[in-house]
Amino acid sequence: GIQVEQSPPDLILQEGANSTLRCNFSDSVNNLQWFHQNPWGQLINLFYIPSGTKQNGRLSATTVATERYSLLYISSSQTTDSGVYFCAVERGNSGYALNFGKGTSLLVTP
Amino acid sequence: GAGVSQSPRYKVAKRGQDVALRCDPISGHVSLFWYQQALGQGPEFLTYFQNEAQLDKSGLPSDRFFAERPEGSVSTLKIQRTQQEDSAVYLCASSFDSSAYEQYFGPGTRLTVT
Repeated sequence: GIQVEQSPPDLILQEGANSTLRCNFSDSVNNLQWFHQNPWGQLINLFYIPSGTKQNGRLSATTVATERYSLLYISSSQTTDSGVYFCAVERGNSGYALNFGKGTSLLVTP
Repeated sequence: GAGVSQSPRYKVAKRGQDVALRCDPISGHVSLFWYQQALGQGPEFLTYFQNEAQLDKSGLPSDRFFAERPEGSVSTLKIQRTQQEDSAVYLCASSFDSSAYEQYFGPGTRLTVT
């Protein structure tokens, strides 16, 4: 199956700082999504981005499908950005289910 | 509109008991997925439905796990004779159609087997 590697595994930021999270994957994909899992466990959709660049407020994402990586940018971080960020790609043969990375755990301090 | 809902949100079961976890997908979504998330890990795929058809159950960890979606809407994940290693958060997701569509997740059911 497709391997998904996220870095860094942990990140501590002071409020207002910017950060870049990376997701590498081992094969071509039809679907790539970024999620934020909040402290209550809810997975919140951030981006559906199998290729190209998207922006939503302070967040933006870029996927370079030919080089098999995606980046999530967080600017002017806030304490509410804390949580775990997951990259997930559509699994290989089945073509349907998402294969998740291990996540980046982000803590934003005041 | 309403998102994906799951019930119960929390379930404590004694080892050996059977449990049933419910998922209500977003209305009109054809595809429904179940995932299992262990503490500190990313979600892992269990099974996939397209309408009422279970097209992939390769992620179910044992024959004690069974899922159904008889009318192509609500789905139930059943775990028989629960074991401690079944303790996890069970997440349901739905998408408009099959491949290459965005998946939306419910809040999950946290199962604790004592």
